[in-house]
Amino acid sequence: RKEVEQDPGPFNVPEGATVAFNCTYSNSASQSFFWYRQDCRKEPKLLMSVYSSGNEDGRFTAQLNRASQYISLLIRDSKLSDSATYLCVVGVTGGGNKLTFGTGTQLKVEL
Amino acid sequence: NAGVTQTPKFQVLKTGQSMTLQCAQDMNHNSMYWYRQDPGMGLRLIYYSASEGTTDKGEVPNGYNVSRLNKREFSLRLESAAPSQTSVYFCASRGATGATGELFFGEGSRLTVL
Repeated sequence: RKEVEQDPGPFNVPEGATVAFNCTYSNSASQSFFWYRQDCRKEPKLLMSVYSSGNEDGRFTAQLNRASQYISLLIRDSKLSDSATYLCVVGVTGGGNKLTFGTGTQLKVEL
Repeated sequence: NAGVTQTPKFQVLKTGQSMTLQCAQDMNHNSMYWYRQDPGMGLRLIYYSASEGTTDKGEVPNGYNVSRLNKREFSLRLESAAPSQTSVYFCASRGATGATGELFFGEGSRLTVL
């Protein structure tokens, strides 16, 4: 089983739709969680950190479920500019403060 | 503010050739990382340096060596390139300790080994 698993998609949604991605992780000792965004042929950039209490940043909401070992990302009112690959990242303190990346979920927002 | 700068951005090598990817950051970060990204595989950690003077292996270190030249610079060397090393390489840095903190990436280096 992969340490971090994501549905690769693509998720094709119309502009204005709400879309949600899940990401599961296998290491119960994981302590930090992030969503990164990667545009085609570009470097990944931090979208948001994921906190235990959940957090929201504009149209984006991230949730953490430690019991079931998954994190989620909800995007409301999708824009064309949201089209990208969303990477789930999970961190474990110790052993070099390792961050493990999921393979990413591709989102395509269409007119 | 340049952030993380990688060179070269593109490189084509023949099998057996050697090369060094350069990375520099101007954010005074302690930790620096080298990842490779392949289709369907996600980003995989090659080597990292938690602080100046230290380096450690990541998930896929075979065929690579690194040097943390100073706090700013972290280079990745391929001694004898193989076609399996065709990939996109990203350098990243992070200032925070522990597993928290944002990773800042360079723009990537696209390497093709023939």
